[in-house]
Amino acid sequence: EPEVTQTPSHQVTQMGQEVILRCVPISNHLYFYWYRQILGQKVEFLVSFYNNEISEKSEIFDDQFSVERPDGSNFTLKIRSTKLEDSAMYFCASSLQQGAAGNTIYFGEGSWLTVV
Amino acid sequence: DQQVKQNSPSLSVQEGRISILNCDYTNSMFDYFLWYKKYPAEGPTFLISISSIKDKNEDGRFTVFLNKSAKHLSLHIVPSQPGDSAVYFCAASVLSSGNTPLVFGKGTRLSVIA
Repeated sequence: EPEVTQTPSHQVTQMGQEVILRCVPISNHLYFYWYRQILGQKVEFLVSFYNNEISEKSEIFDDQFSVERPDGSNFTLKIRSTKLEDSAMYFCASSLQQGAAGNTIYFGEGSWLTVV
Repeated sequence: DQQVKQNSPSLSVQEGRISILNCDYTNSMFDYFLWYKKYPAEGPTFLISISSIKDKNEDGRFTVFLNKSAKHLSLHIVPSQPGDSAVYFCAASVLSSGNTPLVFGKGTRLSVIA
């Protein structure tokens, strides 16, 4: 069973610090995503990425956030200056095709970010 | 703005009985619906989906029903097994607009009691 892997599994950071969350998508997948889930709330879309550029982003994904695929295997989410409200579980996901229909989007196990 | 709502945060069911998880949506543009299952310390995993052209899709013990007029869908698990205990997320997408992001509900925690 192919899997998406994420590191770290848990990170505690001070408010205002930069954080980089790393993901290794499934190797032949072409579409990459970040979602997050604040404790007790719904899973929210942040950004999708295809062909080395952002294809869609949500209102949450402001200038403090950026994504990168630096080396063709890793897919990273950077938060430049963390805020308390950034504390959440961040899920990376990838898929082979565009769109949800008949196309399984595989999620990683998540990176739990705690901002103190 | 909760476009996808799962109003029951938790549900307990006896092993062998039917589990029914409900989901409502407000965006009439949604035309593709999915259920994901999530165990603790794992990411969501795809379970079953349904297109808006259908009103039922079945896969083994799992059946999803869609009522477009009521903007309601439900996931039936029968018979329920202890291994089904997890958080179930309903998600929706607008297929006709291409790669629209999945919009998730808050999830329902199912506990199947042996």
